[in-house]
Amino acid sequence: DTAVSQTPKYLVTQMGNDKSIKCEQNLGHDTMYWYKQDSKKFLKIMFSYNNKELIINETVPNRFSPKSPDKAHLNLHINSLELGDSAVYFCASSQHGSHEQYFGPGTRLTVT
Amino acid sequence: QKEVEQNSGPLSVPEGAIASLNCTYSDRGSQSFFWYRQYSGKSPELIMSIYSNGDKEDGRFTAQLNKASQYVSLLIRDSQPSDSATYLCAVNSPGGSEKLVFGKGTKLTVNP
Repeated sequence: DTAVSQTPKYLVTQMGNDKSIKCEQNLGHDTMYWYKQDSKKFLKIMFSYNNKELIINETVPNRFSPKSPDKAHLNLHINSLELGDSAVYFCASSQHGSHEQYFGPGTRLTVT
Repeated sequence: QKEVEQNSGPLSVPEGAIASLNCTYSDRGSQSFFWYRQYSGKSPELIMSIYSNGDKEDGRFTAQLNKASQYVSLLIRDSQPSDSATYLCAVNSPGGSEKLVFGKGTKLTVNP
């Protein structure tokens, strides 16, 4: 199946821990994104990479660090997790210049 | 601050009726406009894109764009209970960025 996939689907952890979320796409796209969707369902861009280069870096705490080892993979590492980090994190991809973005299934992060 | 505004709803229509979803945007330089459908607990799914003034039809869906009024809408004809979802309007942030700005979504319920 051609798609954007994310792991894990669910992540429950305690405050202060460090965790990572992984994303992979096999659509042949060269741009990937991380979004955060909060409890009010507002979807907000966090980061974007084009061909391993960071091109969008919104106002996000520096506890969040994205990494793109190649254009098909994008990871998100979060240090010192806080209660307010609880949300659904979506990965998306697009072809550079297209703006049509395709989303992964999401990772529901719960910080207790 | 670039903004995309949608009525949060909920919008309730009977089965077989036309559902009309509206969106306004603040940045006159935006050129690409999208409608995403998000079922509860699922990821956003791209259902329509529109780039030129006027109407674009795809099956039961029609997207309408009026750049002068900074207004984009989605009409769903012959609404079905399976159309019940939150509909997100997204607009590109101009200036060469790959960024999409999302509205907060309109929740649509189609009653059998």
